[in-house]
Amino acid sequence: IAGITQAPTSQILAAGRRMTLRCTQDMRHNAMYWYRQDLGLGLRLIHYSNTAGTTGKGEVPDGYSVSRANTDDFPLTLASAVPSQTSVYFCASSDDLGDTQYFGPGTRLTVL
Amino acid sequence: EDQVTQSPEALRLQEGESSSLNCSYTVSGLRGLFWYRQDPGKGPEFLFTLYSAGEEKEKERLKATLTKKESFLHITAPKPEDSATYLCAVQRPSGGYQKVTFGIGTKLQVIP
Repeated sequence: IAGITQAPTSQILAAGRRMTLRCTQDMRHNAMYWYRQDLGLGLRLIHYSNTAGTTGKGEVPDGYSVSRANTDDFPLTLASAVPSQTSVYFCASSDDLGDTQYFGPGTRLTVL
Repeated sequence: EDQVTQSPEALRLQEGESSSLNCSYTVSGLRGLFWYRQDPGKGPEFLFTLYSAGEEKEKERLKATLTKKESFLHITAPKPEDSATYLCAVQRPSGGYQKVTFGIGTKLQVIP
């Protein structure tokens, strides 16, 4: 079934460690996104990518970086994790900017 | 600043008891309004996109409507499998991307 896969499903991480969350889509969508979802705050955009080779900052980019080497993959890296980055992270994609976004199953990250 | 307010926060219905969920929004230059369904531990699942006031869309027991200030998600004769959190989001152009602002959601529980 076509869609978005994310890995890992969940992770517990010590503060200060580096972590990369993986996202792969097989829909050949141009645009991809990373969101975090926190209780009482809703989904917030971290970074986005219009197309392979380009990335941009969303609402809450501090402490995160992304890369888009090809159409299918959009990894999110926490260079030095902090407890405030404990959250559920969702990757999404859309055919183009402005189109409907389709979400992956999420990664639950706990930073201790 | 863009705002999306969903009400009620939680709703408990008997099976077959129709009701409506509300999404009030404030955004300048609305491009689209989205409804998603989210099951516990899963990513948001796309339901509808509405683009202009007066537009309506239906899918099984769900119907979404849009005015200039709010959207409603009407649930007709709900079943227990309709239990989920329903998210509303608005989209507008913002710099290099289409900014999407999500509401916190309405948690719907349908009792057999």
